[in-house]
Formats: sequence, C-alpha cells, structure tokens
Amino acid sequence: AQSVTQLDSQVPVFEEAPVELRCNYSSSVSVYLFWYVQYPNQGLQLLLKYLSGSTLVKGINGFEAEFNKSQTSFHLRKPSVHISDTAEYFCAVRGNNAGNMLTFGGGTRLMVKP
Amino acid sequence: DADVTQTPRNRITKTGKRIMLECSQTKGHDRMYWYRQDPGLGLRLIYYSFDVKDINKGEISDGYSVSRQAQAKFSLSLESAIPNQTALYFCATSDRTSGTYNEQFFGPGTRLTVL
Repeated sequence: AQSVTQLDSQVPVFEEAPVELRCNYSSSVSVYLFWYVQYPNQGLQLLLKYLSGSTLVKGINGFEAEFNKSQTSFHLRKPSVHISDTAEYFCAVRGNNAGNMLTFGGGTRLMVKP
Repeated sequence: DADVTQTPRNRITKTGKRIMLECSQTKGHDRMYWYRQDPGLGLRLIYYSFDVKDINKGEISDGYSVSRQAQAKFSLSLESAIPNQTALYFCATSDRTSGTYNEQFFGPGTRLTVL
C-alpha cells in the first residue's frame, strides 16, 4: 500500500517570498505523483504531475516540483508567491492497488500575507 | 460551463435522514469517483466506478451507497445520515485513455452537515 505525508498543515508566507510545500510518499512500486490545488470554495485542479523523465516538473502558475526517488519526496516550490496563491495544496500518489487509485496527503494550507 | 457538476452545493440535514448527492459530467469520461474531505485527512475514496456496470468500494464505504445511472451520472447516498458524515464531498472523473496515470478532474464539492 502507498501513503502520502504532507509535513506541514499550514504554511504562512509573505507575498513575493519563496515557498516550499513538502511531500513524502511511500510505495513499493514505481509511482506517479501529483500536486492538486484547491482554491476557497472550489474543487481541486491539477497543478502538476510527475510521470517519468526529468525529475523537475513545471506546472501552472509558476509552480514546480522535484521528484527525489532516494528521499521519496516530491516537494512543491514557487520562487515568489502572490496573494492569489492562497489555497490548500494536496500531494497525491498513484499506487499499484486495484484500479490504480490515487492516495492523497492531508493537505497544506498556504496562507500568503501582504 | 463546468465539466463536472455536483448538486446540491450545500446541505444541512438531521441524523437518520436519507440523503442523495448527485454528480454529472460532460467530459465523456468513463470513470467516476466519490471522495470525502476532512480537515487534516485529505481526500479519502468512498466508491468508484469504471463504467455503468462496474462499481467498487473504496477506503471508507461503510454507511454509503452509490448508483451509476448512466455514464455521465454517479450518485452517492447516505442511507441514514450520522453526524460524523459531516464533510465536504467531491465527485471526480477520469478517462481510461489516461488511465495509467489516473489524472482526475474534480467537481466543486458538496458541503454536507448532519445535525
């Protein structure tokens, strides 16, 4: 079975500062990794995904993530955040269970302050 | 227009009542899912369906049932609601052509409160 741990439940940061949201996973097989964002009162939308190839993945809105197999991590970064980035962010892994279901982390609430 | 819609968006009900949450999609996807979201727990899978005749239990199916009325419609029922089913519920879809990667597309959610 696979699991996902998001190490920070909340991350406060000032506007224009860099941010890193941490995600660690466990899986006994090859993985596909995802970051989803949930803006207030909205559903989840895909931010970026790692399927294979380059370990540095670029997503929408200036976000990127790096897959580190040895550390089983998939941390999300942005060099300069905006107020509009305030949202909840979910890391997910596609495992090798029946139907290849996604397993989600507990979420990290990013709070960007002016 | 939204590709994945959920009705109602908000619902308050009482313990013991039967509740149905509905999901419709215009994406033409064959796979549909129901999740619940609780603070700190992320999203947990309740049921999923790969086509109209294929319905499967997820991680937390107890107390829930589903119906796949058509490829585009997937309903979640709480037969006798209890307070710990208070949560935000999401419907999602995916396409078998992206099945290997299981990229999912989410509806806006239904906030259910059971008193």
